[in-house]
Amino acid sequence: ELKVEQNPLFLSMQEGKNYTIYCNYSTTSDRLYWYRQDPGKSLESLFVLLSNGAVKQEGRLMASLDTKARLSTLHITAAVHDLSATYFCAVDRAGGGADGLTFGKGTHLIIQP
Amino acid sequence: NAGVTQTPKFRVLKTGQSMTLLCAQDMNHEYMYWYRQDPGMGLRLIHYSVGEGTTAKGEVPDGYNVSRLKKQNFLLGLESAAPSQTSVYFCASSRRLAGEQFFGPGTRLTVL
Repeated sequence: ELKVEQNPLFLSMQEGKNYTIYCNYSTTSDRLYWYRQDPGKSLESLFVLLSNGAVKQEGRLMASLDTKARLSTLHITAAVHDLSATYFCAVDRAGGGADGLTFGKGTHLIIQP
Repeated sequence: NAGVTQTPKFRVLKTGQSMTLLCAQDMNHEYMYWYRQDPGMGLRLIHYSVGEGTTAKGEVPDGYNVSRLKKQNFLLGLESAAPSQTSVYFCASSRRLAGEQFFGPGTRLTVL
């Protein structure tokens, strides 16, 4: 059974600081996804990581994937309040992409001025 | 281009009642999914479909049924609602294998 663990589950940080969210998963997969969810809203796709060593960046967020370590990271650089949200990582259930995703429990990120 | 839409947005049921949640997508995606989201649990896959006329069970399928009679629609049914099915339900679709999934706005269901 595929397990996806995120840590931390809750993070309060100050604007301007850097931090990293970690996503570990238990079985082999080459595909990992990061989503953002604002309170009461749907999920917004941030990054799709499709191979070992993949790195993607958008603004102050950068995601990477190490399939050998079964680890993905979401790095936040010089955080701003607008990045406050819950961030989920998700992994293909069966590696083929058609069977849906297994999600981590989410990291609730609060960025304070 | 509406993307993925869900109806209704909110619903309150009594235990034992039935209802159907409708998901529609206008992106011509082959793959569609139903998830439920509960506090502290992330999202869990209920059922999914890899094409018109096909469905399969996900992680938490008990108490739910689905149908995909048309490519653009994916219906989630609750035959006899239970309080444990109180949740926020999200539908998603994707165009191809390993492609990103696009989520609908969600349906907030309360079962009393």
